[in-house]
Amino acid sequence: DTEVTQTPKHLVMGMTNKKSLKCEQHMGHRAMYWYKQKAKKPPELMFVYSYEKLSINESVPSRFSPECPNSSLLNLHLHALQPEDSALYLCASSQATGPRANYGYTFGSGTRLTVV
Amino acid sequence: DQQVKQNSPSLSVQEGRISILNCDYTNSMFDYFLWYKKYPAEGPTFLISISSIKDKNEDGRFTVFLNKSAKHLSLHIVPSQPGDSAVYFCAARALFRGQNFVFGPGTRLSVLP
Repeated sequence: DTEVTQTPKHLVMGMTNKKSLKCEQHMGHRAMYWYKQKAKKPPELMFVYSYEKLSINESVPSRFSPECPNSSLLNLHLHALQPEDSALYLCASSQATGPRANYGYTFGSGTRLTVV
Repeated sequence: DQQVKQNSPSLSVQEGRISILNCDYTNSMFDYFLWYKKYPAEGPTFLISISSIKDKNEDGRFTVFLNKSAKHLSLHIVPSQPGDSAVYFCAARALFRGQNFVFGPGTRLSVLP
């Protein structure tokens, strides 16, 4: 299995809703990432988990809450989002860090989120 | 301040010809570079990489060239095929520092039949 699977593919939610995005990989990767991508912009890093521990939070608002229940799963819990949070949310994974490791990311297909 | 720049938002090339996508970076600590391809409604797909100890890496129709002194890299696709039509992202990181990748804004390539 060489894929990163994200669900759902599309999500429409109101500003008062609570929803979760899910990401799963079975490649034995120990680093997992959440990226946000707006139209015609590059992916922007939100969170990094390394060995199931949050190692980077790029000043993301608290209405986004990541969770890493185990080494294969990564969730992003959403609450009280704003319309400007509408974007493509990408999950990625890579091998554990180390100077000789391959740091290429494997990306999922993303969740297209629309906040109304 | 963008550390990774792709100054051409779009590029059109005839099928069979060479496609050249360019990427410039400002951080001299970057020493590992990737190119990703992205189709609509899909996540980015890893294409090819190059580390700063090399100036060229080739994989089939794809070749990446790195000019460290100019802080410039380019992706050559020869021959270009209609299926290559996608958005191409350049990404860079300072591997030694364990930093995460910084992505360029992307270039949309259209290969015309």
